[in-house]
Amino acid sequence: DGGITQSPKYLFRKEGQNVTLSCEQNLNHDAMYWYRQDPGQGLRLIYYSQIVNDFQKGDIAEGYSVSREKKESFPLTVTSAQKNPTAFYLCASNRRWGELNTGELFFGEGSRLTVL
Amino acid sequence: AQSVTQPDIHITVSEGASLELRCNYSYGATPYLFWYVQSPGQGLQLLLKYFSGDTLVQGIKGFEAEFKRSQSSFNLRKPSVHWSDAAEYFCAVGAYGGATNKLIFGTGTLLAVQP
Repeated sequence: DGGITQSPKYLFRKEGQNVTLSCEQNLNHDAMYWYRQDPGQGLRLIYYSQIVNDFQKGDIAEGYSVSREKKESFPLTVTSAQKNPTAFYLCASNRRWGELNTGELFFGEGSRLTVL
Repeated sequence: AQSVTQPDIHITVSEGASLELRCNYSYGATPYLFWYVQSPGQGLQLLLKYFSGDTLVQGIKGFEAEFKRSQSSFNLRKPSVHWSDAAEYFCAVGAYGGATNKLIFGTGTLLAVQP
């Protein structure tokens, strides 16, 4: 079945450590996204990528980094520079706009990061 | 700038009662509008979407939404709520064109269903 796989589902980190969240999709989508979800704040866009080897900052990119070396993979690194990293992280994908894109995003099941 | 407002943070309804969740958007052109549902600890599932045409759109699980341009609204409705509808609901507007291809989400409405 096609879909988006995020791992790990739960992750604990000590302050000052970097951590990388994995996102893999087999939907053959060009575009991939990372959102952060906090209670009462909805989903906020961290980074997104329209195509391999290209990505753009979203609204809250500070303290995060990404790479897009393969079409199916879009890992997110939460660095020690992120002051409040405890949150639920959601990865999503869709086709590039203009390529039979009906607009909606397809989501993974999320990764919950807790900083101890 | 595009934005979405969901004025109700939390709503409680009785099972079998009707439901309406409010959504207002700000967007310069014809909006692409979406409603998603999220169960606790899970990803988001698309309920329905509006691009153009009929302003009343039908979705999964018996939900519908009506696009009202004059009110910049896209409210979600269901005639009779089931206990399994308890979840968080997110409205979103699409921003597309050029290098932009993303959804902007509201802050969500948490729905509780009383027996």
